[in-house]
Amino acid sequence: AQSVSQHNHHVILSEAASLELGCNYSYGGTVNLFWYVQYPGQHLQLLLKYFSGDPLVKGIKGFEAEFIKSKFSFNLRKPSVQWSDTAEYFCAASGGSQGNLIFGKGTKLSVKP
Amino acid sequence: DTAVSQTPKYLVTQMGNDKSIKCEQNLGHDTMYWYKQDSKKFLKIMFSYNNKELIINETVPNRFSPKSPDKAHLNLHINSLELGDSAVYFCASSQNGRRGQGGHTIYFGEGSWLTVV
Repeated sequence: AQSVSQHNHHVILSEAASLELGCNYSYGGTVNLFWYVQYPGQHLQLLLKYFSGDPLVKGIKGFEAEFIKSKFSFNLRKPSVQWSDTAEYFCAASGGSQGNLIFGKGTKLSVKP
Repeated sequence: DTAVSQTPKYLVTQMGNDKSIKCEQNLGHDTMYWYKQDSKKFLKIMFSYNNKELIINETVPNRFSPKSPDKAHLNLHINSLELGDSAVYFCASSQNGRRGQGGHTIYFGEGSWLTVV
């Protein structure tokens, strides 16, 4: 069955700390991978996506993610977080022709000023 | 201009009522979706329409009925609302195409916060 799992439910960091959020997927065939961010009370915004090519993907707001096929992983990273990065982060995957997204359960990031 | 817009943004209603949430996208996409986000923030697909045709219908009570009058609109009607229907409902759209051409990027609306009392 297709699934996306995020390892951390809640991550608490101080400003300027480095961030890595784990994401693993289980998908038959080709897969598209995404990270979305949801700020408190807001809608989902696309941070970055991977379809093919360079496995290191750069997104908005200084975020990047690395697709490691052998590990079925797509971890999100940021070298130095800010208080404004406090939000819920969702890893998602799609494949085949339908384009429907399957989401992980999300990781809440709290950044202390 | 908002690419995917849904109304209302907030809705508080009593159990047993019937309500609708409307969604429109101006991106020219051919596929639209409804997702439900529960109180634990978990997001799950409910329905998907491609060119007005239902292509995904997850295990959702029959009280939920999507309607797509054209490919730019996908409305969600809910009958006999129950307390457990309280959630945030997100409309979304995408243009299906070959991978690598942005075919599977899904764009979300701002959500409709439904509270059933």
